[in-house]
Amino acid sequence: GQNIDQPTEMTATEGAIVQINCTYQTSGFNGLFWYQQHAGEAPTFLSYNVLDGLEEKGRFSSFLSRSKGYSYLLLKELQMKDSASYLCAVMDSNYQLIWGAGTKLIIKP
Amino acid sequence: ETGVTQTPRHLVMGMTNKKSLKCEQHLGHNAMYWYKQSAKKPLELMFVYNFKEQTENNSVPSRFSPECPNSSHLFLHLHTLQPEDSALYLCASSQDLDRGLQPQHFGDGTRLSIL
Repeated sequence: GQNIDQPTEMTATEGAIVQINCTYQTSGFNGLFWYQQHAGEAPTFLSYNVLDGLEEKGRFSSFLSRSKGYSYLLLKELQMKDSASYLCAVMDSNYQLIWGAGTKLIIKP
Repeated sequence: ETGVTQTPRHLVMGMTNKKSLKCEQHLGHNAMYWYKQSAKKPLELMFVYNFKEQTENNSVPSRFSPECPNSSHLFLHLHTLQPEDSALYLCASSQDLDRGLQPQHFGDGTRLSIL
């Protein structure tokens, strides 16, 4: 079956760096997405990786290794507003998104 | 503001009631989706519409009935729901199906509680 694994919850300190990992097993691969979801709000698109390597976008970076079925989202200079759930999703060979359960990130002062 | 609007934001209903959830997108997208989000579980895809035609029904019970009158509007009609149907129902849209980089844009969801 298809599976996406990510940690349930992580805690980090304001101003620090945190890495959220995602491993996947899917039938085919057409890209990996990261979304941010604040409590009670819509998930919002953060990044997309289809080739191996690092994609940087401001304080957020996303890395992909297709051979290892592995990605991570790196958040730098953490701010209190970064407290949210981070969802990893893989687009399979049928262009359907397979979702992880999300990682709840708690930022402490 | 994501360009996808869902109403109502909250809904409490009894198991014998009939209600509808509404979704409207102002992004000119051709594909629309209904998802169910339960606590600590992955998003579950329920239905997919492309150019108003249903392309996916992920074994959803018939007590959920979708309707897509045009590419901008999507409804989810509910009747005789069960307590386990209590969840956040999210609507999303994307430019097209079957494309690589096609991020989905989500509404804020309807928090549904079944008494």
